[in-house]
Amino acid sequence: KNQVEQSPQSLIILEGKNCTLQCNYTVSPFSNLRWYKQDTGRGPVSLTIMTFSENTKSNGRYTATLDADTKQSSLHITASQLSDSASYICVGGDSWGKLQFGAGTQVVVTP
Amino acid sequence: ETGVTQSPTHLIKTRGQQVTLRCSSQSGHNTVSWYQQALGQGPQFIFQYYREEENGRGNFPPRFSGLQFPNYSSELNVNALELDDSALYLCASSSAGSHNEQFFGPGTRLTVL
Repeated sequence: KNQVEQSPQSLIILEGKNCTLQCNYTVSPFSNLRWYKQDTGRGPVSLTIMTFSENTKSNGRYTATLDADTKQSSLHITASQLSDSASYICVGGDSWGKLQFGAGTQVVVTP
Repeated sequence: ETGVTQSPTHLIKTRGQQVTLRCSSQSGHNTVSWYQQALGQGPQFIFQYYREEENGRGNFPPRFSGLQFPNYSSELNVNALELDDSALYLCASSSAGSHNEQFFGPGTRLTVL
């Protein structure tokens, strides 16, 4: 059964600081690992998509890493801004195009 | 904005009723996926439509059904609503292919009383 687990469940950081979110996945047959940002009551917005051959991918202040051997991924947010307050969802994609979503990490950035 | 639209934005129904949710996909996309997202949880896959045919289904009962039209827009129908069906329903459009990005609409918030 495909599963994606994220940690921490939530975190609070000061504006300007960095943070790292973690993701462990079990997806078979594995194809890709995605990170989405979801504002409250809105649809998720894609941040990064990585295939098994990619180790890192950046999108502005967001940097995702992937270790396909240990089935772990992380999302690093640099110099956080108030607008970064959102839920960050890790998603494993299989070779059939089906996505398995994690429960998300709720990030709150405070002034 | 992703170019994916959903209607209505909010809906209130009572237990036992039926509901139809609509989704217009992004131009050039032939695949639509539907998800149910309960409060505080990640989206759960309901089903996917590719060129008007169902192309995969998650662990949802048959009272969840769908359609895709020749213009690739889509409907999600839920019969015999239950209280636990209260959730945010998301549709996502994409081109065919396992690596292709899915673009999500803003969702429909369904409340079942």
